[in-house]
Amino acid sequence: AQSVTQLDSQVPVFEEAPVELRCNYSSSVSVYLFWYVQYPNQGLQLLLKYLSGSTLVKGINGFEAEFNKSQTSFHLRKPSVHISDTAEYFCAVTDTNFGNEKLTFGTGTRLTIIP
Amino acid sequence: EPEVTQTPSHQVTQMGQEVILRCVPISNHLYFYWYRQILGQKVEFLVSFYNNEISEKSEIFDDQFSVERPDGSNFTLKIRSTKLEDSAMYFCASRKGSSNEQYFGPGTRLTVT
Repeated sequence: AQSVTQLDSQVPVFEEAPVELRCNYSSSVSVYLFWYVQYPNQGLQLLLKYLSGSTLVKGINGFEAEFNKSQTSFHLRKPSVHISDTAEYFCAVTDTNFGNEKLTFGTGTRLTIIP
Repeated sequence: EPEVTQTPSHQVTQMGQEVILRCVPISNHLYFYWYRQILGQKVEFLVSFYNNEISEKSEIFDDQFSVERPDGSNFTLKIRSTKLEDSAMYFCASRKGSSNEQYFGPGTRLTVT
């Protein structure tokens, strides 16, 4: 079984400041990792994913994340945030074994950008 | 760009009634999923569906729930006798066979009164 921990339920950040949203996971098997964003009253949109290869992955809207296997972390970063980044961000994992592809989500982090 | 669609966007029903939530996955996708998000809580997996059968289901997905792909385009979630605790946002997702990315629909907000 897998689990995902997002320790920060809310993160307020000033516009144009950098941000890091933390994600730690637990799993007994190899995993794929994802960050999804949910804008108000909308569905989930994939920001980025780590499947294999380079541990630094770049996504849409200037976000990037780094996979750290030893620390079982997949933190999301952006060097300079905009008002439009205000949203809920979810970290998720899935088993790499075929047929076990359900996503296990964290509890989410609400990012609020302060003008 | 193709997207997953869901109808209705909001459904209000009385306790004990049956509801059917509808989803149209992306047309060339082969794997289909339902997730739910109770207000203020995390998104939880309900069920996955492939080749016209359930491939995995969670403990939430009890006998009151069923899924169906009645034709080549729709994917439905039926709750036979709704309870207050079924009130949640229900998301449908689909995935191509060759990719690990699940594409999510905008969700159906179910309110059970």
